[in-house]
Amino acid sequence: NAGVTQTPKFQVLKTGQSMTLQCAQDMNHNSMYWYRQDPGMGLRLIYYSASEGTTDKGEVPNGYNVSRLNKREFSLRLESAAPSQTSVYFCASSPLGHSNTEAFFGQGTRLTVV
Amino acid sequence: KNEVEQSPQNLTAQEGEFITINCSYSVGISALHWLQQHPGGGIVSLFMLSSGKKKHGRLIATINIQEKHSSLHITASHPRDSAVYICAATRGGSRLTFGEGTQLTVNP
Repeated sequence: NAGVTQTPKFQVLKTGQSMTLQCAQDMNHNSMYWYRQDPGMGLRLIYYSASEGTTDKGEVPNGYNVSRLNKREFSLRLESAAPSQTSVYFCASSPLGHSNTEAFFGQGTRLTVV
Repeated sequence: KNEVEQSPQNLTAQEGEFITINCSYSVGISALHWLQQHPGGGIVSLFMLSSGKKKHGRLIATINIQEKHSSLHITASHPRDSAVYICAATRGGSRLTFGEGTQLTVNP
């Protein structure tokens, strides 16, 4: 039972390069999320998908795009990486929102943009 | 001011001590989550509660809706409890607002 799987675990990009962070969950959850974690700040929501076929902006969406490929997979794309996007990225999922159920998190992707 | 405030930011304890981490929030919420992040970086959900108290092993979480305050207690602390503890609040739907976390170190 893998839970939430993120790839890659580590990545170094040059400014201007693009990449996609992959996330998959095997718990049949409806809702999926992408967060970033920066020193001295709490986790911040980048984008979320409340259900298959829908995506919405979170608190810090600029510079990112997402795709909810199917119920299992939710990817995060950086089209032109900037040093300000150096962060640790977490994917999470929950059965339906955050009010009634706990969230399950992936192991994180540590991204450095030089 | 962050909507979710945690205290203390850092906490060092001796093995066996009773530990309390506090979380205050400024708006009405529908649920509050306590999460644990180990040095390896992964985040694990400990509790989700909307009222009263929950217990799991040596961990206890309480919430006082009127006072907009929640606490996480660890009884008989152990070095393996060393981690960052994060509280997060939701007003419903799909958004969580996170505190900055409390770094707990338990020394043997």
